[in-house]
Amino acid sequence: GDSVTQMEGPVTLSEEAFLTINCTYTATGYPSLFWYVQYPGEGLQLLLKATKADDKGSNKGFEATYRKETTSFHLEKGSVQVSDSAVYFCALSHSGGYQKVTFGTGTKLQVIP
Amino acid sequence: SQTIHQWPATLVQPVGSPLSLECTVEGTSNPNLYWYRQAAGRGLQLLFYSVGIGQISSEVPQNLSASRPQDRQFILSSKKLLLSDSGFYLCAWSQSGGRGQPQHFGDGTRLSIL
Repeated sequence: GDSVTQMEGPVTLSEEAFLTINCTYTATGYPSLFWYVQYPGEGLQLLLKATKADDKGSNKGFEATYRKETTSFHLEKGSVQVSDSAVYFCALSHSGGYQKVTFGTGTKLQVIP
Repeated sequence: SQTIHQWPATLVQPVGSPLSLECTVEGTSNPNLYWYRQAAGRGLQLLFYSVGIGQISSEVPQNLSASRPQDRQFILSSKKLLLSDSGFYLCAWSQSGGRGQPQHFGDGTRLSIL
């Protein structure tokens, strides 16, 4: 079955540091890939997505590239802010009437001033 | 634009009491609907999903049930709550069909069982 593996957290960075959160997946076919963000006490919000190999999703300074050859979708940001502190989830889904989403376990990011 | 509403935001219930959590979606029709549970510091567990009125699929056997009485309404219920039912419950929706349709989440209900 499908699976998503994320790096263990928490990840602690100083403000303006470079961020990478690793995500690899196992799936048949060509799934769509997503990053969601969850701020404390809230639901998940879609951060970015990519639907085919070599696509780059980007939003709010975050980027991730769909790498079919390495089955990866690493999240990056060049300069993090305190307001980026949250839990980040990598996820995949397949096309179809019911798009079951497989989530990773989440990576907590703490950005300190 | 589409919105999703989930209530209540927090709930404290005694063991053995019933439960009803409600979720409604606005601005779309025939959405796929989902209920997830998130234990403290953990990932998401899919509990139920629905592709249409009256159509409910359960992912895991448990003490909970779900219903979809209207196209954009999804209800999570229990007749008798257990301590293990504590957690953060999230409702979500997605467009049916197509490729790369993301799920959109409500703000969640924090359920504490005493």
